[in-house]
Amino acid sequence: EAEVAQSPRYKITEKSQAVAFWCDPISGHATLYWYRQILGQGPELLVQFQDESVVDDSQLPKDRFSAERLKGVDSTLKIQPAELGDSAMYLCASSFLGLAGARETQYFGPGTRLLVL
Amino acid sequence: KQEVTQIPAALSVPEGENLVLNCSFTDSAIYNLQWFRQDPGKGLTSLLLIQSSQREQTSGRLNASLDKSSGRSTLYIAASQPGDSATYLCAVLKGGGNKLTFGTGTQLKVEL
Repeated sequence: EAEVAQSPRYKITEKSQAVAFWCDPISGHATLYWYRQILGQGPELLVQFQDESVVDDSQLPKDRFSAERLKGVDSTLKIQPAELGDSAMYLCASSFLGLAGARETQYFGPGTRLLVL
Repeated sequence: KQEVTQIPAALSVPEGENLVLNCSFTDSAIYNLQWFRQDPGKGLTSLLLIQSSQREQTSGRLNASLDKSSGRSTLYIAASQPGDSATYLCAVLKGGGNKLTFGTGTQLKVEL
């Protein structure tokens, strides 16, 4: 069964360092999402791509976070510089079309757990 | 702004018991509602998706209902098993872009 792949699974970094996370969606899925999940809370959408274009990054802290999906396939989320409050699980998800209102499930990867010291 | 609340935050039941998890949302203008399962330190697995025009969906021992007008959904788990232990999250879809708004989850523990 096709799955969303993410790496690394765990990352420990020091405050002010740069970190990057990678996501490979299910083959053929046009829409890719990055979520942040703080411990004890539900995931919150950071950025959504439709192919290589950003369609929603309203919750992305753009002063330190950046995301790209250059060829419309895999994606990278970067934080520079990392802050203590960035410690969280970063989840990537994908869906086939991403059409609003469609009967469509988002498939989630295993996540990257980030700890900033 | 859409807000999603889940009650209870944590639940512990003996094996074999039937149980109900609750989800409420403030804006009833949703396209659909999904229930997810999350095992510790893992990603999310979709369990059930209910379209706004539907009242319920069933999968095996799971049954989810939706009352859009009152802003409520319930997830019913029949004959619970230790393997059902996980955090259950509900999420609603509203508006363009396929953006999901999640609740904070219910942490379920099924004991032998």
